[in-house]
Amino acid sequence: QVQLQESGPGLVKPSETLSLTCTVSGGSISANYWTWIRQPPGKGLEWIGYVHYSGTTNYNPSLKSRVSISVDTSRNQFSLKLRSVTAADTAVYYCARDGDTVGLFDYWGQGTVVTVCS
Amino acid sequence: DIQMTQSPSSLSASVGDTITITCRASQGINSWLTWYQQKPEKAPKSLIYAASNLQSGVPSRFSGSGSGTDFTLTISSLQPEDFATYYCQQYNSYPLTFGGGTKVEIK
Repeated sequence: QVQLQESGPGLVKPSETLSLTCTVSGGSISANYWTWIRQPPGKGLEWIGYVHYSGTTNYNPSLKSRVSISVDTSRNQFSLKLRSVTAADTAVYYCARDGDTVGLFDYWGQGTVVTVCS
Repeated sequence: DIQMTQSPSSLSASVGDTITITCRASQGINSWLTWYQQKPEKAPKSLIYAASNLQSGVPSRFSGSGSGTDFTLTISSLQPEDFATYYCQQYNSYPLTFGGGTKVEIK
């Protein structure tokens, strides 16, 4: 059974960089696409972007200037960096695996809360 | 970007009721639509994919229909565990986009 677990600081200061890691267990990261999604408090879901194990990435244009997603196949992990954060970036951040159909997620992490606050 | 508009944003219903949630895409997405159920403090769970296909293990009281721009999620004979928030998501093109959600509450 594939499992995903997000990790990283729960508190980030405005203008700094948010950094999260998703560790994949029960399966290899060297297949599929791997995605980050976020959900601000009380609001809906926003797709952030994906990374393929080959290193190919695709980002939401609304975040593209500030975001980068990378993969570390040796550690079976992928990571999110979001630069120059503001209070609007406060959210639950989820990592997920794209299944047989890209864009359709079959496994999700439990989510991690990140608060942007000085 | 493809905008996904869900309605209603919330509804109240009783156990045993049948409810319908609609999702409209701002442009055609064929049948590349999935429905999620989300409970508080939990990740979304996929119920339906390709507009009308039930995910493995999902009860048959959930059904989906539609293609192009208009889609529906129907829950027949609501059960206590069905009170949650439901989202649609298109995966026809990037950026992937979600509907705003429909919160189903107990009447």
